[in-house]
Amino acid sequence: EDQVTQSPEALRLQEGESSSLNCSYTVSGLRGLFWYRQDPGKGPEFLFTLYSAGEEKEKERLKATLTKKESFLHITAPKPEDSATYLCAVRPLEAGNNRKLIWGLGTSLAVNP
Amino acid sequence: GAVVSQHPSWVICKSGTSVKIECRSLDFQATTMFWYRQFPKQSLMLMATSNEGSKATYEQGVEKDKFLINHASLTLSTLTVTSAHPEDSSFYICSARGGGRQAVDGVQYFGPGTRLTVT
Repeated sequence: EDQVTQSPEALRLQEGESSSLNCSYTVSGLRGLFWYRQDPGKGPEFLFTLYSAGEEKEKERLKATLTKKESFLHITAPKPEDSATYLCAVRPLEAGNNRKLIWGLGTSLAVNP
Repeated sequence: GAVVSQHPSWVICKSGTSVKIECRSLDFQATTMFWYRQFPKQSLMLMATSNEGSKATYEQGVEKDKFLINHASLTLSTLTVTSAHPEDSSFYICSARGGGRQAVDGVQYFGPGTRLTVT
């Protein structure tokens, strides 16, 4: 069964304290892995897409990496405004563009000033 | 680019009434739109997928007669919750995906969500 597991469930950091969020996945084949950021009461905001093992993408203080089993979202020197829930989703390799994404439960990140 | 709007952002309705939520892609043509529901502390639950001009495909367990979805144009999809009851209270979020490269990439762009409260 296709599954996405994110850890930790919640993470509290001090401003400037770098850390990583994990997204482990089990799918028969990977067509793409997505990271989103969601603020309370808002819709998810797209961050990155990764397609193959070894791929890395960066945006400001965030860097996403991908292996054959998991993805990491590295946060370097976080600021309070990075506080949000980070969601990971996987698009399985199946025929048809309507194949739905498999979502993790998210990691709630709080960055204290 | 890739901005999606939703209206209204919140709505309160009485039990038994219907409420319509609009989802618009503002700067791209959305060949596919998705409707999600999200409960507190839970992840996104896909309700249905709709392609422009076609009937929506509903996920297992979602009542198609209760949650009416219309995707009449490449920039607009609507979700109508019919005969709403308190258990329908939730956060509803739409997402949109364009054709061509966007379809291949699979990236969905989300609206800001609609908080529905049924009293």
